[in-house]
Amino acid sequence: AQSVSQHNHHVILSEAASLELGCNYSYGGTVNLFWYVQYPGQHLQLLLKYFSGDPLVKGIKGFEAEFIKSKFSFNLRKPSVQWSDTAEYFCAAKGGGGNKLTFGTGTQLKVEL
Amino acid sequence: SQTIHQWPATLVQPVGSPLSLECTVEGTSNPNLYWYRQAAGRGLQLLFYSVGIGQISSEVPQNLSASRPQDRQFILSSKKLLLSDSGFYLCALRQGENSPLHFGNGTRLTVT
Repeated sequence: AQSVSQHNHHVILSEAASLELGCNYSYGGTVNLFWYVQYPGQHLQLLLKYFSGDPLVKGIKGFEAEFIKSKFSFNLRKPSVQWSDTAEYFCAAKGGGGNKLTFGTGTQLKVEL
Repeated sequence: SQTIHQWPATLVQPVGSPLSLECTVEGTSNPNLYWYRQAAGRGLQLLFYSVGIGQISSEVPQNLSASRPQDRQFILSSKKLLLSDSGFYLCALRQGENSPLHFGNGTRLTVT
């Protein structure tokens, strides 16, 4: 069955620390990958996406993610986090040509001043 | 631009009562529409999706149902709510093959 795993459920960092959130998926064939973010009190919004091409994807607010096909991973990174990055982050995947987007369980990130 | 309207924003219902949550979209035609439920520590669970009027795919065997009577309307229903139906329900749309999901603001349902 198609699934998405996020192994870090809660992450606490100090401002300026580097961030890496893990995401692994289990899909056969072509896969489309996404990271969504939900800031406190706000709705889910797209952070970045990968469909094809360069496996290193740049998103908004300095975030990036790298698609490593051999590891079935799509980890989210940011070199230096800010307090305003405190939010819940969701990794999601969809089989190429498919209609169903499967989400991971989310990672709560808290950035302390 | 695409807009998703969900109402109500919050809802408290007793066990055994019926449910109807409505989602309407603007600024798009023939979108794929989705109902997700978000629960703490469980991420987003896909409940239903629809690729067109009257076409519903169910992902989970629940006491919930969905309908799409119009192109831009997607309704989530239940005849008798259970306590376990409490959660945050999100409507989403996708327009086009290579496009991400766009989410509405959600409905917080509490079943008492």
